[in-house]
Amino acid sequence: TQLLEQSPQFLSIQEGENLTVYCNSSSVFSSLQWYRQEPGEGPVLLVTVVTGGEVKKLKRLTFQFGDARKDSSLHITAAQPGDTGLYLCAGPDTSGTYKYIFGTGTRLKVLA
Amino acid sequence: ETGVTQSPTHLIKTRGQQVTLRCSSQSGHNTVSWYQQALGQGPQFIFQYYREEENGRGNFPPRFSGLQFPNYSSELNVNALELDDSALYLCASSFGTGDSGNQPQHFGDGTRLSIL
Repeated sequence: TQLLEQSPQFLSIQEGENLTVYCNSSSVFSSLQWYRQEPGEGPVLLVTVVTGGEVKKLKRLTFQFGDARKDSSLHITAAQPGDTGLYLCAGPDTSGTYKYIFGTGTRLKVLA
Repeated sequence: ETGVTQSPTHLIKTRGQQVTLRCSSQSGHNTVSWYQQALGQGPQFIFQYYREEENGRGNFPPRFSGLQFPNYSSELNVNALELDDSALYLCASSFGTGDSGNQPQHFGDGTRLSIL
């Protein structure tokens, strides 16, 4: 079974700071997706990365897929309180089982 | 475009009871997946339905079962409830051809199930 491990598990920073969240696996993924989840709500898709080495930007958020497609990172520039939430990476199990795997999550709190 | 809707939003049951959770998929989507999310953790894949058949299953016992209907809506049934079944149950829909692939999933806001 493929696993996705995220780090750090928790992060509390001041408004305006930069941060990076990591999503790592020992297995290759055909794609990875990043979601943000707020309390009482379902995860909301932020981005999908498909190609090794791919970089995607969404306003202040920069997503990168590792060259070997085993890892990904999310970088937030000048964090704002509205960025607070649970960040999840996820991807399809490529062992032929049609499972969809989520990472362990990074809980981010941005203080005003 | 109608998003994914789940019902009920909250539910309280006791050990040994049975529960049915419902999900209406986003319009245009033909695949539904169900997840269990314990407090403070990432969602765990329960199973996926495509063309009214189970198309993949995570590490959940047979007392977790489901259905998909011709209109692509879905139900999750859990029998013989246990205390550890307390969690947020999420439904996600996507348009696919039968594999979980690269198709983005759109989630509902979940059903919070509490077992006493």
